[in-house]
Amino acid sequence: EPEVTQTPSHQVTQMGQEVILRCVPISNHLYFYWYRQILGQKVEFLVSFYNNEISEKSEIFDDQFSVERPDGSNFTLKIRSTKLEDSAMYFCASTLGTGPYGYTFGSGTRLTVV
Amino acid sequence: SQKIEQNSEALNIQEGKTATLTCNYTNYSPAYLQWYRQDPGRGPVFLLLIRENEKEKRKERLKVTFDTTLKQSLFHITASQPADSATYLCALETGSGNTGKLIFGQGTTLQVKP
Repeated sequence: EPEVTQTPSHQVTQMGQEVILRCVPISNHLYFYWYRQILGQKVEFLVSFYNNEISEKSEIFDDQFSVERPDGSNFTLKIRSTKLEDSAMYFCASTLGTGPYGYTFGSGTRLTVV
Repeated sequence: SQKIEQNSEALNIQEGKTATLTCNYTNYSPAYLQWYRQDPGRGPVFLLLIRENEKEKRKERLKVTFDTTLKQSLFHITASQPADSATYLCALETGSGNTGKLIFGQGTTLQVKP
């Protein structure tokens, strides 16, 4: 069964450093997403991406965050200057379309900011 | 304000019994409602999707109902097994134009005892 692949699985970074989280969505999917989950809390929407541009972003997704699909297969989330409160699991997801389609999530990257 | 609420307490049941999980929402008019399973440290896994004009959907031991008048979905696992122990997430798809995003409830943790 096709999978969404995320790397790395764990990342520890110093506060103020930049991190890039990487994802390879399912090849024929058209919509791409980043979500995050702080420990013990619910899965929260960060950003959606369609047709090579951001479709929607949440209030969490401020100027420190950016996304890119550099080569037609990878989908990256960059956090420019990490803060302690950015520590969370970050999930990439993709779906074939909106409406009657489930989303496929990756296994996540656990980001720890120290 | 918009809310998605699931049973906040963990649900403990005996193997073989039927588990019933509840999802209530306010100030949404979703065309689709989705259910996901999440294991500790892993990404959500899509289980079932139900449309607003469907009352019930089944897949193997899973059954979902959707009452748009009550703004409620029920998720049933029949003949439950210890392997069904996980957190179950209700999600609504919202969005504008031709893009959408999932908004998740906080999840209900199910523990099935042998």
